[in-house]
Amino acid sequence: AQSVSQHNHHVILSEAASLELGCNYSYGGTVNLFWYVQYPGQHLQLLLKYFSGDPLVKGIKGFEAEFIKSKFSFNLRKPSVQWSDTAEYFCAVMQGGFSGGYNKLIFGAGTRLAVHP
Amino acid sequence: DAMVIQNPRYQVTQFGKPVTLSCSQTLNHNVMYWYQQKSSQAPKLLFHYYDKDFNNEADTPDNFQSRRPNTSFCFLDIRSPGLGDAAMYLCATSRDGLAIYNEQFFGPGTRLTVL
Repeated sequence: AQSVSQHNHHVILSEAASLELGCNYSYGGTVNLFWYVQYPGQHLQLLLKYFSGDPLVKGIKGFEAEFIKSKFSFNLRKPSVQWSDTAEYFCAVMQGGFSGGYNKLIFGAGTRLAVHP
Repeated sequence: DAMVIQNPRYQVTQFGKPVTLSCSQTLNHNVMYWYQQKSSQAPKLLFHYYDKDFNNEADTPDNFQSRRPNTSFCFLDIRSPGLGDAAMYLCATSRDGLAIYNEQFFGPGTRLTVL
């Protein structure tokens, strides 16, 4: 079974600092990768996703992620964070091949980002 | 706006007292999922419905059941909640669970407290 590792459980940054959140997955085959964000008191929402093609994926709110197959990584980046980026960030990989053909998301444990003004 | 709605947002129950959590969606999606998320942990899939077909995860305790009476609604029943069942329960939907292009849309969650 696939697994997802997020290296940092808590990250604290000042506004305008650059952000990189690590994500590694275990599966060596074709993968579909996601980053979700959960702002305080709100639901999980999709930041960006990778299925194929350009390994540098751009998402909403200035976020991007780079898929590096050789490193089994899908790290999330933002050049300059804002206070409003304070949230929890989840990396997820789509796992398929179940009976009935359905797919399911395997999540990492999440990274809590706090941005100070 | 089309969305995934969960009620209630906060639920308190007593040890062993059955509880039902509700999820509804206006997206008309075929697939509905229930996840359990304990503090500082990843959301963990409990089960999902593809239309009326129920798919239980192998490690989901028997204490957890689900019903989907129609496309829009899905319920999570916990027959005899234990202290270890205290968690955030997330409902999600997707248009097609079979396609690889399968974005899931999440509700706000129900936080369950067991006394």
